[in-house]
Amino acid sequence: QVQLQQSGAEVKKPGASVKISCKAVGYRSTAYYIYWVRQAPGRGLEWMGIVNLRGTTRPTSALEFRGRLALTTDTSTDTVYMELSNLRPDDTATYYCAGGAADFLDYWGQGTPVAVSS
Amino acid sequence: DIQMTQSPSTLSASIGDRVTITCRASENIITWLAWYQQRPGQAPKLLIYAASTLQRGAPSRFSGSGSGTEFTLTISSLQPDDFATYYCQQYISYPLTFGGGTEVEVK
Repeated sequence: QVQLQQSGAEVKKPGASVKISCKAVGYRSTAYYIYWVRQAPGRGLEWMGIVNLRGTTRPTSALEFRGRLALTTDTSTDTVYMELSNLRPDDTATYYCAGGAADFLDYWGQGTPVAVSS
Repeated sequence: DIQMTQSPSTLSASIGDRVTITCRASENIITWLAWYQQRPGQAPKLLIYAASTLQRGAPSRFSGSGSGTEFTLTISSLQPDDFATYYCQQYISYPLTFGGGTEVEVK
């Protein structure tokens, strides 16, 4: 059973950056990817990007986040990091990491709420 | 980008009802479609992938069908745990995109 453990809630000011961690426990396959999805309050799901847990392929991100989104992997601890910079109030959302091997999302982290406010 | 459109956006139903949710893709996605359930305050949970394959552990009252651009999620007999929001997602190409969600509420 794969478990994804995310870091805790964050409060940031506009223009700041946020870095969220996602630790994978219990996965078996070497071809395992971590996806980042966010959900604004009362809204639907929005895919942000994908990174390989082994760090062997280049991360891919949605066009609207390019230049602001950095996805990195620490293979020594099976932890993936998502850093979103130049935060705006409309980046207020719950950020989820999710895992899978084939672009559908088998397992989800518990979510990390991020509030952006001056 | 492939647009995913779900209908209805809200559905009112009673325990024991048969419920059907529709998801339409803006272009042919073959059967590269997944369905998720999200209860309030919780992370989404995978129910179905490849349009009709039930995820291990998901109840058998859930089923998926369709191919190309039109897909359905059916709950054969609605149970109390099923009042939630359901999302479809295409994974034939990036960016991965989700439908807007269908909330199943108590009638």
